[in-house]
Amino acid sequence: DGGITQSPKYLFRKEGQNVTLSCEQNLNHDAMYWYRQDPGQGLRLIYYSQIVNDFQKGDIAEGYSVSREKKESFPLTVTSAQKNPTAFYLCASKGWQPNQPQHFGDGTRLSIL
Amino acid sequence: AQKVTQAQTEISVVEKEDVTLDCVYETRDTTYYLFWYKQPPSGELVFLIRRNSFDEQNEISGRYSWNFQKSTSSFNFTITASQVVDSAVYFCALSGGETGANNLFFGTGTRLTVIP
Repeated sequence: DGGITQSPKYLFRKEGQNVTLSCEQNLNHDAMYWYRQDPGQGLRLIYYSQIVNDFQKGDIAEGYSVSREKKESFPLTVTSAQKNPTAFYLCASKGWQPNQPQHFGDGTRLSIL
Repeated sequence: AQKVTQAQTEISVVEKEDVTLDCVYETRDTTYYLFWYKQPPSGELVFLIRRNSFDEQNEISGRYSWNFQKSTSSFNFTITASQVVDSAVYFCALSGGETGANNLFFGTGTRLTVIP
């Protein structure tokens, strides 16, 4: 089945540690996105990529980094500079037409040890 | 600037009642797209419906219906004869423009609890 796979489902970070969240899609979508969701809040955009080897900052990019070396993959690194990383992280992808919806993975829940 | 407002933070209804979730949006784009997503307790976002700004026809899909009114900048979602499985957080979202990244702007969500 086509879809978006995020791993791991749960992740724990120690102080000063960088962690990487995986996002893979087999929908042949050009655009991919990373969102952060805090309890009781909506989704906030961290980074997005419209094409391989190109990505743009979203509203809350500080303390995060991404890469887009392959069309299928858009990993997110939460760096030690992100002082409040505990949140639910969602990855999405979308086809090239403007009216197409974004499709989401199951999410990764990140917590601080 | 794009903005989506979901004024209802939480709603509780008894099973089989009808419930309407409100969504009001702001945009300067003449072409834009509105979406509703459902987030069940498991966490994933499930796409429910898309509406183009130039198509004000309302839509019904089973127990779900959507009322899009450009005059009031609203895109409300009604669930008829609610069921326990409808319990979730529902998000309204907006993207604008005919080109570009078409980033989604989300409301803060409405948590619906259906009581058996």
